[in-house]
Amino acid sequence: DIVMTQSPDSLAVSLGERATINCKSSQSVLDSSNNKNYLAWYQQKPGQPPKLLIYWASTRESGVPDRFSGSGSGTDFTLTISSLQAEDVAVYYCQQYYSTLLFTFGPGTKVDIK
Amino acid sequence: QITLKESGPTLVKPTQTLTLTCTFSGFSLSISGVAVGWIRQPPGKALEWLAVIYWDDDKRYSPSLKSRLTITKDTSKNQVVLTMTDMDPVDTATYYCAHRRTLTTPFDNWGQGTLVTVSS
Repeated sequence: DIVMTQSPDSLAVSLGERATINCKSSQSVLDSSNNKNYLAWYQQKPGQPPKLLIYWASTRESGVPDRFSGSGSGTDFTLTISSLQAEDVAVYYCQQYYSTLLFTFGPGTKVDIK
Repeated sequence: QITLKESGPTLVKPTQTLTLTCTFSGFSLSISGVAVGWIRQPPGKALEWLAVIYWDDDKRYSPSLKSRLTITKDTSKNQVVLTMTDMDPVDTATYYCAHRRTLTTPFDNWGQGTLVTVSS
């Protein structure tokens, strides 16, 4: 099984400042046949379903603001919110979908305003 | 526009079987690469993937729950059904269904979820 970990568990950032969330997979999620990392980031606000932000580790889903960016490859990934807005308060999850036997989510990182 | 909606009982008793239906629109589950999955989230906890069914009727299950899960599709009705046997209070969660548009992309559209409580 591919285990996903995230750090930190939570963070508080001032409005307009940068927020950085890390995600690590226990095995590589890089598909060498197409050079794509099967790593996604979701945002979940209270009482709402998760919303897809990033897939292939760094491709923004349509309609997602460009202050959200993803980076990394293999086993180590990062979600960056370049300038935190009030509406970005949420829990963020990473997910690997490399293994078709088990789609694994990370434990989540809660982002608040400082 | 893709939409998905979960339906089923809000309360089940321990040992009972849960049957959830995902009714969707805006896509066809007969198109190559398309899939619908089920994910759950206990109150205040993280997301847990349960099962997925593909356009070609291929099915995959979470290894830890495989013995209790069955996923089926009715393409003509635009529905996917998940059954989970032997329900326990630890299965109390919001259950989501979600769309996957290709084999190389994740779940891109989610239903609003349905809260299922397991209690006697």
